[in-house]
Amino acid sequence: KAGVTQTPRYLIKTRGQQVTLSCSPISGHRSVSWYQQTPGQGLQFLFEYFSETQRNKGNFPGRFSGRQFSNSRSEMNVSTLELGDSALYLCASRRAGLETQYFGPGTRLLVL
Amino acid sequence: AQSVTQPDIHITVSEGASLELRCNYSYGATPYLFWYVQSPGQGLQLLLKYFSGDTLVQGIKGFEAEFKRSQSSFNLRKPSVHWSDAAEYFCAVGSSGAGSYQLTFGKGTKLSVIP
Repeated sequence: KAGVTQTPRYLIKTRGQQVTLSCSPISGHRSVSWYQQTPGQGLQFLFEYFSETQRNKGNFPGRFSGRQFSNSRSEMNVSTLELGDSALYLCASRRAGLETQYFGPGTRLLVL
Repeated sequence: AQSVTQPDIHITVSEGASLELRCNYSYGATPYLFWYVQSPGQGLQLLLKYFSGDTLVQGIKGFEAEFKRSQSSFNLRKPSVHWSDAAEYFCAVGSSGAGSYQLTFGKGTKLSVIP
């Protein structure tokens, strides 16, 4: 069974631009979560989507948003990029009712 | 609120030596506990998990972890480290509420292995 896939793997953007990252969960997994990983803050929860609905959001500004499609694929969007948004963005999926999350390889975003 | 502490930022061991990585958590209910490993430039790979039952859990790559409720700990162990184990290790606690679920991670422990 294919794992979680994320595209693109690497991105370079400039301040003020916006970016969209994509995540395809493991087949049959309806929950998709996003995490941000930085050297200073570590791994931080961004949000979780289930059946196209955002279930929860971490302590991030409104510039960070996401959505989930009917096939469970998810996208996250960051608008008006700041230098501090440079990070590895990880997507994780899990089967409904189960607590184990499986992670993708991540998208590394560099904001210049 | 839940939290996870990994007291050791960096550990260096010789190949063949035993390993123990420490993890302490704070959570009001029975925790879902996980250890993940991350190689440079990669995502997180699940090593093992604890939900309930036997407090000693076995994982992949020869790793095991022991849940000790009285100490709020979930330490990861391996009897004999291989050079390929060099990576960063993250302990996490899973929490649910209001129909949502999320992992809270420790800051990680970087493992270096001396050949």
